[in-house]
Amino acid sequence: GAVVSQHPSRVICKSGTSVKIECRSLDFQATTMFWYRQFPKQSLMLMATSNEGSKATYEQGVEKDKFLINHASLTLSTLTVTSAHPEDSSFYICSASDTPGTFSGANVLTFGAGSRLTVL
Amino acid sequence: GQNIDQPTEMTATEGAIVQINCTYQTSGFNGLFWYQQHAGEAPTFLSYNVLDGLEEKGRFSSFLSRSKGYSYLLLKELQMKDSASYLCAVLDSNYQLIWGAGTKLIIKP
Repeated sequence: GAVVSQHPSRVICKSGTSVKIECRSLDFQATTMFWYRQFPKQSLMLMATSNEGSKATYEQGVEKDKFLINHASLTLSTLTVTSAHPEDSSFYICSASDTPGTFSGANVLTFGAGSRLTVL
Repeated sequence: GQNIDQPTEMTATEGAIVQINCTYQTSGFNGLFWYQQHAGEAPTFLSYNVLDGLEEKGRFSSFLSRSKGYSYLLLKELQMKDSASYLCAVLDSNYQLIWGAGTKLIIKP
């Protein structure tokens, strides 16, 4: 089945630094990738949708200058948390689909294993 | 607004059966998903329903009633490894996934 690799799984950084998280589709071409944030005991919150070769679409309330998303190829999307602060500490998860826009059903989204960010 | 409701937490006994309900109010409907998420891990796909009725897959079954805006996930022969959160998500008319907050299932021996 489809596999999405997300790296790093855990990262600890100092306040004010930037952190990059990578999301790779290993055995399929991901036209669309999604970035989510999940706080403890809460559901997934969609941050942005990225389509290969175009600018990401950010959800309301998500600062695009703070959360930089680059989807430079059909197998790689990156999320950079710039000037991270303690309130940015969270579990960040990416998911990928090989179908742009329209979903077809089973195994529509394949998730990465997530990245736990802790900002000191 | 769009809303997905599911119980926050449920407890069941190993070997028993449990039903996790999900009700939704969304702008359009293009399918409902159930995902399993163990603590600190990413969600994994369990089922997808787009037509009314019951879909069975091993120990897990998922039911959908579009007219009632209702679904349930049925887990049989519960095992300790089934302790996890179960997320209900609906694909709306814009093909955007709307997620529920998840139901934490605790399995006791």
